Amino acid sequence: AQSVAQPEDQVNVAEGNPLTVKCTYSVSGNPYLFWYVQYPNRGLQFLLKYITGDNLVKGSYGFEAEFNKSQTSFHLKKPSALVSDSALYFCAVSIYTGRRALTFGSGTRLQVQP
Amino acid sequence: NAGVTQTPKFQVLKTGQSMTLQCAQDMNHNSMYWYRQDPGMGLRLIYYSASEGTTDKGEVPNGYNVSRLNKREFSLRLESAAPSQTSVYFCASSEVVTSRTYEQYFGPGTRLTVT
Repeated sequence: AQSVAQPEDQVNVAEGNPLTVKCTYSVSGNPYLFWYVQYPNRGLQFLLKYITGDNLVKGSYGFEAEFNKSQTSFHLKKPSALVSDSALYFCAVSIYTGRRALTFGSGTRLQVQP
Repeated sequence: NAGVTQTPKFQVLKTGQSMTLQCAQDMNHNSMYWYRQDPGMGLRLIYYSASEGTTDKGEVPNGYNVSRLNKREFSLRLESAAPSQTSVYFCASSEVVTSRTYEQYFGPGTRLTVT
């Protein structure tokens, strides 16, 4: 079975500071990893993905994530946070199986203070 | 190009009532999914359809049925609603090619309350 852990319910950061949202995963086989963002009363929007190749993945809105196989982690990062980055962030994992569906973490709320 | 659309946006049901949540995508994706989102639990897969004509259970299928009407449409039916089914429901679609899983695109959600 595959699983995802987001150990922090909430992350607070000041505008202009770097931010990190943590994610660890557990799968049998090679993982496909994703980050999604959810703004209030909206659906999930895709941010970035790791399928294979370079461990540092760049995505939308200046976000990036680093795949670390030995630590089974896929932390989301941004060098300089904006107030508009405040939202709910979900990490998700999938492998190639008949299901091909995502398993989501419980989500981390990011609050960026002005 | 509307992406993934869902109807209705909001619904209130009484216990025992039935309803169907509709989902359609215009991206020509093969795979479609239904998730529910509950506070502190992320999204959990209810049912999915890998391709037109096929459906399969996810993590939490009890109390739900689905129909993949055609390539575009994937509906979720609650036959006899229960308060435990109060949740926000999301439909998603993706293109899966051979051994690669591509990102899923989500609809805006349906907020369902069962009293």
